[in-house]
Amino acid sequence: DTEVTQTPKHLVMGMTNKKSLKCEQHMGHRAMYWYKQKAKKPPELMFVYSYEKLSINESVPSRFSPECPNSSLLNLHLHALQPEDSALYLCASSQTYISSYNEQFFGPGTRLTVL
Amino acid sequence: AQSVAQPEDQVNVAEGNPLTVKCTYSVSGNPYLFWYVQYPNRGLQFLLKYITGDNLVKGSYGFEAEFNKSQTSFHLKKPSALVSDSALYFCAVRDDDRGSTLGRLYFGRGTQLTVWP
Repeated sequence: DTEVTQTPKHLVMGMTNKKSLKCEQHMGHRAMYWYKQKAKKPPELMFVYSYEKLSINESVPSRFSPECPNSSLLNLHLHALQPEDSALYLCASSQTYISSYNEQFFGPGTRLTVL
Repeated sequence: AQSVAQPEDQVNVAEGNPLTVKCTYSVSGNPYLFWYVQYPNRGLQFLLKYITGDNLVKGSYGFEAEFNKSQTSFHLKKPSALVSDSALYFCAVRDDDRGSTLGRLYFGRGTQLTVWP
């Protein structure tokens, strides 16, 4: 299984809502990532988990809260978002984080719209 | 500082013609170079990578890329373009410099490839 899955595919939420994005991989990868992507732009790194521990937080606002319950799952909890947070949220995984030659495998993304 | 440049926002090519999508990079250590493709409303798909060895790397869907150390380039090529190749292409680089940037993937801004019939 060489796939990263993400749910939901689409999410519309109000600024007072709480929602979660989910990501799953069964490739035995020990590094997992959250990226934010605006239309026609490259992905922007948000968080990196390495061996289920948060390794990198790219100064992301606290209204985004990541969680890695186990080596296969990655969640992104959303609360009190702003309309400018509307974007495609991509999850990715790789064998490890430190080994620079490992490619990252991306999920299909969650299209988030904040009203 | 690590960076990637994709000098063309848009590349247009006729079906059946060869295509090239350009990428240049800057890293402090040895580069590990990647190409990804993104179709509309989809995630990024890995195409190919250069780690070491042969400068010509072959990847998925008939794509290949040539690593040129002296020109710090890693251009993506395909001998005969298909309409279905139309997509957004990202070049990315990581380096082996064991500093704070170790492991980070730096993306170019992307090149929109349009193949017309």
